[in-house]
Amino acid sequence: DAGVIQSPRHEVTEMGQEVTLRCKPISGHNSLFWYRQTMMRGLELLIYFNNNVPIDDSGMPEDRFSAKMPNASFSTLKIQPSEPRDSAVYFCASSFGGASYNEQFFGPGTRLTVL
Amino acid sequence: GNSVTQMEGPVTLSEEAFLTINCTYTATGYPSLFWYVQYPGEGLQLLLKATKADDKGSNKGFEATYRKETTSFHLEKGSVQVSDSAVYFCALSGSGGSNYKLTFGKGTLLTVNP
Repeated sequence: DAGVIQSPRHEVTEMGQEVTLRCKPISGHNSLFWYRQTMMRGLELLIYFNNNVPIDDSGMPEDRFSAKMPNASFSTLKIQPSEPRDSAVYFCASSFGGASYNEQFFGPGTRLTVL
Repeated sequence: GNSVTQMEGPVTLSEEAFLTINCTYTATGYPSLFWYVQYPGEGLQLLLKATKADDKGSNKGFEATYRKETTSFHLEKGSVQVSDSAVYFCALSGSGGSNYKLTFGKGTLLTVNP
């Protein structure tokens, strides 16, 4: 069974450009999480969806960041306009059931570099 | 709020050495505790978990015991292998309405040399 799929794996862009990261969760999972990983701040939860509905977006840094989940098998995280401080690895994770004692399965991540 | 403190790495060991990675936490309520592992170029994978005090989580030779009195969840392995080289993250769950939320430590890089 395929795990969580993320694309692209690497993205290099220039400041001011729009960036879209994509995620396909594991089939049957109803919870989806977007995380950001940096050396300075570690791993941070950006947004949590349950049954395609955003439940907690308090971790989204600012209005430049937006996330959607139009259906159970696809989610996007968009940054517009991008800035160098957005450079990080972005992970998508999914689980069955939202409670954290339900194992979260992580994708391989997208390494974003904003020049 | 919730927080997790892990020993700073990197940790470098020889094969078959004993491993301890310390983790302490601050939390409200009764969190569950986790260790995740991240191999190079991959996402995080759940290694083990414990959901209540005195529980021991174990997997692949790794163990950790949920110690409420010392607010600790130290990771141990009796004999490490080169293939254990990875970054290890301690994490705890939120409680109540935030029980979906994981708070992670900064991670500890382990390198095992042959």
